[in-house]
Amino acid sequence: GAVVSQHPSWVICKSGTSVKIECRSLDFQATTMFWYRQFPKQSLMLMATSNEGSKATYEQGVEKDKFLINHASLTLSTLTVTSAHPEDSSFYICSAKLAGGETQYFGPGTRLLVL
Amino acid sequence: DAKTTQPTSMDCAEGRAANLPCNHSTISGNEYVYWYRQIHSQGPQYIIHGLKNNETNEMASLIITEDRKSSTLILPHATLRDTAVYYCIVRSRGSNYKLTFGKGTLLTVNP
Repeated sequence: GAVVSQHPSWVICKSGTSVKIECRSLDFQATTMFWYRQFPKQSLMLMATSNEGSKATYEQGVEKDKFLINHASLTLSTLTVTSAHPEDSSFYICSAKLAGGETQYFGPGTRLLVL
Repeated sequence: DAKTTQPTSMDCAEGRAANLPCNHSTISGNEYVYWYRQIHSQGPQYIIHGLKNNETNEMASLIITEDRKSSTLILPHATLRDTAVYYCIVRSRGSNYKLTFGKGTLLTVNP
């Protein structure tokens, strides 16, 4: 149980284009999902908290207009990196919290390379 | 949330128990201790969590000292697939559920 998937697992795009990453909770309903970013040899950094049906809460220093988050259902959250630049190349990881639960379960991550 | 301190790296022989320490001396009464691990190029995997009592599941055991200022994650029979970065995280109960990841401990299991 508590399986989280992400799609795509990796993506290469040209600078200036937008990329959408999906995060799905496969066998549970997730009222809250989280988006993290991890640069090489660094730890995970929380970007934003996404609650179903409401606007995401972004961490300090994360541009909400650049990283668009939509959490339209209890099993799906999407992160769109708009006008991607090479410095946005990173490993993006989502997690989901079971409704009424305390524990976050993580997806396998999406590796983004912007050329 | 309380800060945690972990060794940067540890080694363990395959088949032996791996004991990973974590110091959280400023932990408060309503804060959980969570353990996750991250195998290279994958998302973190939940291992176990506890509040006051020791906990055990199919993956590991969590031993929390009586004063709750430190804890130890025990992998009873380490395998090569347990090589990963292990994160000890303290989180307030019923809060915004955010997890703050530190640098963790790189556990290398050797044949």
